[in-house]
Amino acid sequence: EAGVAQSPRYKIIEKRQSVAFWCNPISGHATLYWYQQILGQGPKLLIQFQNNGVVDDSQLPKDRFSAERLKGVDSTLKIQPAKLEDSAVYLCASSLGGANSNQPQHFGDGTRLSIL
Amino acid sequence: RKEVEQDPGPFNVPEGATVAFNCTYSNSASQSFFWYRQDCRKEPKLLMSVYSSGNEDGRFTAQLNRASQYISLLIRDSKLSDSATYLCVVNLGGYNKLIFGAGTRLAVHP
Repeated sequence: EAGVAQSPRYKIIEKRQSVAFWCNPISGHATLYWYQQILGQGPKLLIQFQNNGVVDDSQLPKDRFSAERLKGVDSTLKIQPAKLEDSAVYLCASSLGGANSNQPQHFGDGTRLSIL
Repeated sequence: RKEVEQDPGPFNVPEGATVAFNCTYSNSASQSFFWYRQDCRKEPKLLMSVYSSGNEDGRFTAQLNRASQYISLLIRDSKLSDSATYLCVVNLGGYNKLIFGAGTRLAVHP
């Protein structure tokens, strides 16, 4: 079974520029998550999709971050404009089920973002 | 107060040692619990689920105390390959929302 695919692996941009990350979940997984992991911290959930609908974006900085999952499969996460504190690894994960499913989440390799 | 708290370590232990990690969580409505392992510059991977009755997977034993809101992981006969960061994770239910601790770093040396 192919895992969660993410691209790019690394990205370096200057502050105030924009950047986009892409994620392709495991085939058949209805739920997709974007996490931000700052060095020395655990992953923090930014946004969660159930099929193509958002079920939790309470920790997404909506003034600069946006995400979409138009056809319920692939997803993109965008930052515009980037700030220095956005330097982190952005992890995408997917799981089979929806509400109360308690299904394990499978993570992609992540995109390591550095803001100069 | 953080939702999931862990001792960051590092724990430096020799091969063959037994080491224990602890974790506390603040939300009493948390529904399920896990330990994830994260190697340096890699993604988190599920190590094991944690049940109230305690559960064991080879050299790894996990325990949950719901009354104290406390989770533990015991590693026996440590191997060099066990060197990693161990993340305590709580599932708040609903749409399978996970809250991660900051992780405990383990370094096993020869």
